[in-house]
Amino acid sequence: GAGVSQSPSNKVTEKGKDVELRCDPISGHTALYWYRQSLGQGLEFLIYFQGNSAPDKSGLPSDRFSAERTGGSVSTLTIQRTQQEDSAVYLCASSLSSYGPEAFFGQGTRLTVV
Amino acid sequence: GQQVMQIPQYQHVQEGEDFTTYCNSSTTLSNIQWYKQRPGGHPVFLIQLVKSGEVKKQKRLTFQFGEAKKNSSLHITATQTTDVGTYFCVGGSEKLVFGKGTKLTVNP
Repeated sequence: GAGVSQSPSNKVTEKGKDVELRCDPISGHTALYWYRQSLGQGLEFLIYFQGNSAPDKSGLPSDRFSAERTGGSVSTLTIQRTQQEDSAVYLCASSLSSYGPEAFFGQGTRLTVV
Repeated sequence: GQQVMQIPQYQHVQEGEDFTTYCNSSTTLSNIQWYKQRPGGHPVFLIQLVKSGEVKKQKRLTFQFGEAKKNSSLHITATQTTDVGTYFCVGGSEKLVFGKGTKLTVNP
């Protein structure tokens, strides 16, 4: 596709349910990043992939969060047993390589846990 | 990982005034990137600086990379309401970790 695509754009889920967020990076981009942004706050780094490998998972808030990337392309971020504090916009970005030169962001998935 | 601090966290200006945001690192950076996020939007890449002492201009925006490659600044001349948003600097790192940014508001 022309840009980074994220789905769904909005997700409302009940507390305790699992959710899966999807990111389709720009074709050919080997680096992929996940961030979380709460209202009025900065971007909280979650995880990044170089190819299918995630060299650093230390940004994931808890063991309820996991992410994978297959075929060097699509990535999914899974949140198990969602809590209200998980409510935020989840942003995905991709770049040609892990040192840029620039990252392109998707529109984000707005997650609301009720 | 590299820690880059950005100041100020908030800045409110009158339209037409200049604006500057600063980024400082305790370690030498391989490069620095700048992004802008409009309210309700996602971050958009502005520029990457790589060379020591580099200065780049984009219309009313001037970006500088310090001689020691430990600091950077973004200066906007004669702000306009379209400049409203949060400006982030990202220190050279494969993790692409964003700081808190500087939120700019412009009074028309």
